[in-house]
Amino acid sequence: EDQVTQSPEALRLQEGESSSLNCSYTVSGLRGLFWYRQDPGKGPEFLFTLYSAGEEKEKERLKATLTKKESFLHITAPKPEDSATYLCAVGLDTGTASKLTFGTGTRLQVTL
Amino acid sequence: GAVVSQHPSRVICKSGTSVKIECRSLDFQATTMFWYRQFPKQSLMLMATSNEGSKATYEQGVEKDKFLINHASLTLSTLTVTSAHPEDSSFYICGGQGGYNEQFFGPGTRLTVL
Repeated sequence: EDQVTQSPEALRLQEGESSSLNCSYTVSGLRGLFWYRQDPGKGPEFLFTLYSAGEEKEKERLKATLTKKESFLHITAPKPEDSATYLCAVGLDTGTASKLTFGTGTRLQVTL
Repeated sequence: GAVVSQHPSRVICKSGTSVKIECRSLDFQATTMFWYRQFPKQSLMLMATSNEGSKATYEQGVEKDKFLINHASLTLSTLTVTSAHPEDSSFYICGGQGGYNEQFFGPGTRLTVL
């Protein structure tokens, strides 16, 4: 059975305190590993797609990496506006489209 | 990123009524649209996948007669919750996928059934 597990469930950081979020997965037919940010009461906002082990992508204070079994979202010197729930999802090949299976998310709170 | 809109953003209805939610891709053609529901402090659960002009494919456990999905054009999909009951109260989110692998999501619709 395809599974996506995120840890920690919640993380509280002080501004400037770097950390990493983990997403481990067991799937067959992987068609991309996706990271999204979700603010309360809103839909997920796309951050990154990773396709192959060793791939890395960066955007401002965020950097996503991928291995064969897990992905990390590194947050460098976070600011309070980075507070959100970060979701990872694996894309499963359905032939015509990529169906996403989401992890339960990591709720990040960054304080001053 | 691509933009997806949803309407309404919030709806309150009485038990037994039907509610329609619209999802539009504003700056791309969504050949495939996905509908999710999300309960408080939980992740997104896929309900169904629809391709333009075809019948939707529902996930196991999702009643197709209760959650009617229409994907009439490359920019519009609708979800109708028929005979809604309090247990249908949730946050409904649509996602659109075009000629690339990423899904882009709408802002969500908060449904409350009294």
